[in-house]
Amino acid sequence: SQKIEQNSEALNIQEGKTATLTCNYTNYSPAYLQWYRQDPGRGPVFLLLIRENEKEKRKERLKVTFDTTLKQSLFHITASQPADSATYLCASRFGAGKSTFGDGTTLTVKP
Amino acid sequence: EPEVTQTPSHQVTQMGQEVILRCVPISNHLYFYWYRQILGQKVEFLVSFYNNEISEKSEIFDDQFSVERPDGSNFTLKIRSTKLEDSAMYFCASSDSQGGSGEQFFGPGTRLTVL
Repeated sequence: SQKIEQNSEALNIQEGKTATLTCNYTNYSPAYLQWYRQDPGRGPVFLLLIRENEKEKRKERLKVTFDTTLKQSLFHITASQPADSATYLCASRFGAGKSTFGDGTTLTVKP
Repeated sequence: EPEVTQTPSHQVTQMGQEVILRCVPISNHLYFYWYRQILGQKVEFLVSFYNNEISEKSEIFDDQFSVERPDGSNFTLKIRSTKLEDSAMYFCASSDSQGGSGEQFFGPGTRLTVL
């Protein structure tokens, strides 16, 4: 069956460092991978989408990669700040279809 | 910036009662979705809707659930006879029509508590 997994439940880093979060998928090949931020009690906030024919995408301090050989996406936050502390969700999609979410990684950035 | 809105933010109901959760998707979007998230668990897909009909639904979306787009702006999720296990955050999402490759934007959610 299709599975999408985020390797770490929690990640703690020091302010100013780069946070790297991992998303792996098995038994399928999604057309898109999306990354969202979710704060407690709130809805997922869209951050970045990367297509299967794209290797890398950037937006300000955020970077996402998509490696179809490794079946993996990496999400980087450079120069991290305490305000970046949240749960980050990876979600796969085919076209306009449903998003399939991972469990999320809770990032804590310490001052 | 356009956003998906949902009402109410919190709904408390008795088991067996019907609830309707409301969403206003982003105005030029054509694809609509409902997801739910039980406390401490992952976001789960319920149903997708396009061109006034359901395009896909999950195993969770049984006969107790229904969706409707009653007018040009609202998108609703109805649960006919709520159960305790329906307690969750319910999120509406929408995306645009760019070959289906547009991002899915989520609303802030409705917290449903079934007593």
